[in-house]
Amino acid sequence: KQEVTQIPAALSVPEGENLVLNCSFTDSAIYNLQWFRQDPGKGLTSLLLIQSSQREQTSGRLNASLDKSSGRSTLYIAASQPGDSATYLCAVPPSWGKLQFGAGTQVVVTP
Amino acid sequence: GAGVSQSPSNKVTEKGKDVELRCDPISGHTALYWYRQRLGQGLEFLIYFQGNSAPDKSGLPSDRFSAERTGESVSTLTIQRTQQEDSAVYLCASSSRTGGISEAFFGQGTRLTVV
Repeated sequence: KQEVTQIPAALSVPEGENLVLNCSFTDSAIYNLQWFRQDPGKGLTSLLLIQSSQREQTSGRLNASLDKSSGRSTLYIAASQPGDSATYLCAVPPSWGKLQFGAGTQVVVTP
Repeated sequence: GAGVSQSPSNKVTEKGKDVELRCDPISGHTALYWYRQRLGQGLEFLIYFQGNSAPDKSGLPSDRFSAERTGESVSTLTIQRTQQEDSAVYLCASSSRTGGISEAFFGQGTRLTVV
């Protein structure tokens, strides 16, 4: 059974610092890995998807890496802004079946 | 449509009443998921549909919960005899295996309040 863990559970940084969010998973037989953002009271917004054959994916200030052999993915957010404050979740689907989510990392960026 | 659409966005119901929540997936998406999120909690898997295969209902919390989907179209989540502990945001997502990519997209959710 796939277990997904996100560390830390919460993170507070001053504006301008880089953010590093970690996601680990127990079963390396993944189809891909997806990072989401959730603002309070809202649905989930897809940030990045990394296919199982890729090692990293970039979008603007966001960069996500994937190391299947060690069961880890890291989301880097460069030069954080107060608008980056949200909960960040990673999700791992097997080739067929439900998206398995981590519990999320709650991020606060202070001005 | 351009994204996953859920209706209603908010629903207040009296304890014991039945409710229906609707999800319109992105056109062409074969997979559809329902999740529940209680206040301050993580995502709780409810049910997963993939094309015409038998759905994975392993997350449905009780027999008061049921969901239907015909083909690759709209899905309805029904909660019978609602209880206060059913109060939560119900989230729907869809995805498609196109070109080896399977990216899931979520709707904005239905906030259910049972009074």
